[in-house]
Order: sequence, then C-alpha cells, then structure tokens
Amino acid sequence: RKEVEQDPGPFNVPEGATVAFNCTYSNSASQSFFWYRQDCRKEPKLLMSVYSSGNEDGRFTAQLNRASQYISLLIRDSKLSDSATYLCVVNLYKLSFGAGTTVTVRA
Amino acid sequence: NAGVTQTPKFQVLKTGQSMTLQCAQDMNHEYMSWYRQDPGMGLRLIHYSVGAGITDQGEVPNGYNVSRSTTEDFPLRLLSAAPSQTSVYFCASSPRQGAREQYFGPGTRLTVT
Repeated sequence: RKEVEQDPGPFNVPEGATVAFNCTYSNSASQSFFWYRQDCRKEPKLLMSVYSSGNEDGRFTAQLNRASQYISLLIRDSKLSDSATYLCVVNLYKLSFGAGTTVTVRA
Repeated sequence: NAGVTQTPKFQVLKTGQSMTLQCAQDMNHEYMSWYRQDPGMGLRLIHYSVGAGITDQGEVPNGYNVSRSTTEDFPLRLLSAAPSQTSVYFCASSPRQGAREQYFGPGTRLTVT
C-alpha cells in the first residue's frame, strides 16, 4: 500500500467554482502534513501546512482528519492561475509525497 | 540569493554511461536531498544528507551515489545509467530534517536510451 494516495484527477472546473479533493495516508503515526503545488514541468513549492483544527490561507482551506487518516484541500472562487498539480505530503521522520491531483480551471 | 540550483537542466545518456547531477544551495541549509519524479508516482527519496560529511539512503538508492563535502553542494552520481533511471530529478534543501518547507531546485530531466 502506498504511504500517501491521491485521486489523480484531473478536476476540470470553471473559473469561480469551488473544487475540493482529498488524500489518504497509511501511517497513523504521521506527525505533520502539507500541501505543495507543482506547476507543469516546474519544481514543487509549499502551498500550506495542514493543522488538526483546519486552516485557511485566502481562498484555500485545508483540513486534517486523523481518525480517518485523510487530508483535504478546498479551493474557493477558482482562478485560472490555480491550474496546477497539488501534492499531498505527509511527514514521519521524512517527507512522503503523493502522486498529485491535477486541477484545471477553465475560463 | 539563488536558492537551490541544479545543473544540467536536460541530459541524454546512453545505457552504461555515468554522470553527475549537480546541486547547490546558498541558504546555509543543513538538510539536502535528492528525489526522482516519475509519471503517476509521487516524489521518491533517493539519498539525503543531514549535514556536511553525512549521507544516508532513501527509498530508491540503488544505482546512485552521493557525497556531501560542503554544506552548499550535494552532487548525485549515476554509476552506470539504465533506461529505468529516465526521470525528472529534483534536489531539495531545508534548514533541518523534517522542516516544514523544503526548497526545491528546478529539476534535471534525464533520458537514458
């Protein structure tokens, strides 16, 4: 079983829509969680950390459910510039990366 | 402040050739790592280093060597290239192992024929 699993998508949404997707992780001892963003053929960059209480950063909301071992990311009021692949990352002594969920926002 | 730099950006090798992928950072980070990224798979850790003179194996170390003689540089050596090593390679650094944010270089796209 993979340590981190994500729905690869793609999620195709119109501008202004809300899109949400999850990732699941296998090790219940995992300590910290992140979402990274990767633009086409570029390097990954940290989008936001994920906290147990849930957290927002502008139009982005991240949630963590430790009991069910999943993390979610919700993007409100999607912009064309949100088109990217979103990588779920779980930390237990080392970072484990999901394969990514691709989001395409269309005009 | 250039962050993390990698060279070359692109490389084509023949099976059996060797080469070194270069990685350097100017942020005085102690932790550096190498990943490979293949379609449909997450980034997989090849080797990492927690400081100058200290390296360790990651998830997929076979066929690769590393060394860390300085804080700034962390080269990755392919000993005898194989088609299975065709991939995109990313170097990353962070202030310490397990830090919240890893800073990635722009990547090296390697094709082995």
